[in-house]
Amino acid sequence: EADIYQTPRYLVIGTGKKITLECSQTMGHDKMYWYQQDPGMELHLIHYSYGVNSTEKGDLSSESTVSRIRTEHFPLTLESARPSHTSQYLCASSGTGNSNTEAFFGQGTRLTVV
Amino acid sequence: GENVEQHPSTLSVQEGDSAVIKCTYSDSASNYFPWYKQELGKGPQLIIDIRSNVGEKKDQRIAVTLNKTAKHFSLHITETQPEDSAVYFCAASISTGFQKLVFGTGTRLLVSP
Repeated sequence: EADIYQTPRYLVIGTGKKITLECSQTMGHDKMYWYQQDPGMELHLIHYSYGVNSTEKGDLSSESTVSRIRTEHFPLTLESARPSHTSQYLCASSGTGNSNTEAFFGQGTRLTVV
Repeated sequence: GENVEQHPSTLSVQEGDSAVIKCTYSDSASNYFPWYKQELGKGPQLIIDIRSNVGEKKDQRIAVTLNKTAKHFSLHITETQPEDSAVYFCAASISTGFQKLVFGTGTRLLVSP
């Protein structure tokens, strides 16, 4: 069982609201990621982080922002939610150093903006 | 950047049959190829991975093959069981100081009893 947690699991919110999706891992991983998964199943990288105080935009443009103040915590924020933000958001983390290692995923947050 | 194509998008088999899912990648510098299984309501979970210095890897009923020249890799599941039903993703990654996985489009596998 991976030690990476996302909250909430489900969120229904009105247009214009500010939301923060939480992601925490207890594995001491340097690298963390946010993926957006659309109904067609594809996983698109929207943000990633090398470590504390490091954040980068991914391949898919997103209006969301992220922060990495602590190693274990990588929250994603939408300042003003819109129906187009409705999607599944998956957080992941992977090990230390430069070598490729297994990425562990959280269970996801299913966001619906009405 | 890297582009990963995955086929088929849907695969239906009878219990006990074999299932094969194929992926191609575009960047010859990719050197790490994991496969993930995603069950309904859960995040993807790694089931097997292969690195570019290896041509084949097996783990019980699951095997992965890699052809670096042709830039494709495949997942083979033998003696399929209903609990193998899930969405499977291939991915490719380049080790250039940061692991950035690029995923295929997913294959929905349905194993009928």
